[in-house]
Amino acid sequence: AQKVTQAQTEISVVEKEDVTLDCVYETRDTTYYLFWYKQPPSGELVFLIRRNSFDEQNEISGRYSWNFQKSTSSFNFTITASQVVDSAVYFCALSENFGNEKLTFGTGTRLTIIP
Amino acid sequence: EPEVTQTPSHQVTQMGQEVILRCVPISNHLYFYWYRQILGQKVEFLVSFYNNEISEKSEIFDDQFSVERPDGSNFTLKIRSTKLEDSAMYFCASSEQDQLLAFFGQGTRLTVV
Repeated sequence: AQKVTQAQTEISVVEKEDVTLDCVYETRDTTYYLFWYKQPPSGELVFLIRRNSFDEQNEISGRYSWNFQKSTSSFNFTITASQVVDSAVYFCALSENFGNEKLTFGTGTRLTIIP
Repeated sequence: EPEVTQTPSHQVTQMGQEVILRCVPISNHLYFYWYRQILGQKVEFLVSFYNNEISEKSEIFDDQFSVERPDGSNFTLKIRSTKLEDSAMYFCASSEQDQLLAFFGQGTRLTVV
């Protein structure tokens, strides 16, 4: 069975600081996809990134970067120079097989950026 | 940019009443999903739907729940007799067969009183 663990329930940082959100996953499949979603106070789920299990290259998109390490089953998300608009709940999720299977979400990390 | 649309954004219903949550998936998508998020908790998978039938469902998706694609564009979730614990945000999602990425709607907040 697949499982996603986000051990950090809540994080608060001062604006402009860097922050890393941890995600650890469990799966028996060799082919899987990992995702990060942002849920702002308005409630919608905003897709941030998808990474397949064969691509361990780190990815950077503006102030966001992701570190995928199969050896530790982790897919961590770093926000550089945080801004107040980054305040949200962030969910890591896993999809097994070919990605059209269900998403298993972690419990989320509530990130608060203090101005 | 195409998007998944859910209506209504917020629905209040009395316990025991039937409720239908509506979703319009992205037009060329073939896979459809419903997820639920109880307030302050994680997002949980309810059901997936492909080729006019349920492809997978979770333990949450019991006999009180049903899904339907009545007219080729809408995708609905029906709860026959709502309970207080059905209060949650319900998300619809759809994905195109080859792109493997599910796009989520903005959610319907269901409040059962």
